Amino acid sequence: AQSVSQHNHHVILSEAASLELGCNYSYGGTVNLFWYVQYPGQHLQLLLKYFSGDPLVKGIKGFEAEFIKSKFSFNLRKPSVQWSDTAEYFCAVLFTGGGNKLTFGTGTQLKVEL
Amino acid sequence: DVKVTQSSRYLVKRTGEKVFLECVQDMDHENMFWYRQDPGLGLRLIYFSYDVKMKEKGDIPEGYSVSREKKERFSLILESASTNQTSMYLCASSSPDMNVNIQYFGAGTRLSVL
Repeated sequence: AQSVSQHNHHVILSEAASLELGCNYSYGGTVNLFWYVQYPGQHLQLLLKYFSGDPLVKGIKGFEAEFIKSKFSFNLRKPSVQWSDTAEYFCAVLFTGGGNKLTFGTGTQLKVEL
Repeated sequence: DVKVTQSSRYLVKRTGEKVFLECVQDMDHENMFWYRQDPGLGLRLIYFSYDVKMKEKGDIPEGYSVSREKKERFSLILESASTNQTSMYLCASSSPDMNVNIQYFGAGTRLSVL
């Protein structure tokens, strides 16, 4: 079965530090890729997505992610985090042939300290 | 804006009770999904539906059933609640168009089974 791995389960950063969260998936075919974010007490919302085209995609709040097909990766980055970025981040993959089902990673809890 | 509404934010039930979790979306989406979210496990798909009266098992359907009598409503049923079903339950909906395949989530129902 296809799977999605997020290697960092808990990350603690100081404000202004750079962020990179890893995401890898186990499938060599065509995929649609997503990062969702869940701020404390709020619902899951889309941060950014990749369907096709430029492998470097930009999302809301200064986040970006790069799709590297050869590495089956879709890492999330932000050059300078803010305290308000404290949240849980989920990578999700839609595998072709899987209908409209998303497979989620286990999530990364990010805490940004002042 | 897409709105996915889950009927309850918090529920407390007793072991053996029959539990209904309701979800309504207002975007005329064909696809609807039920997930459970547990710390360290991410989101796991319980059931999904591509159309009215249609349902498919997800990754962890045991102990659950669903009902989709109307396009906008997707219900999750716990026939006989057990303590291991204590969790956060998330409903989502999406369009079947692969070019805009984004899932929109409700705020979640936190269920405690005592």
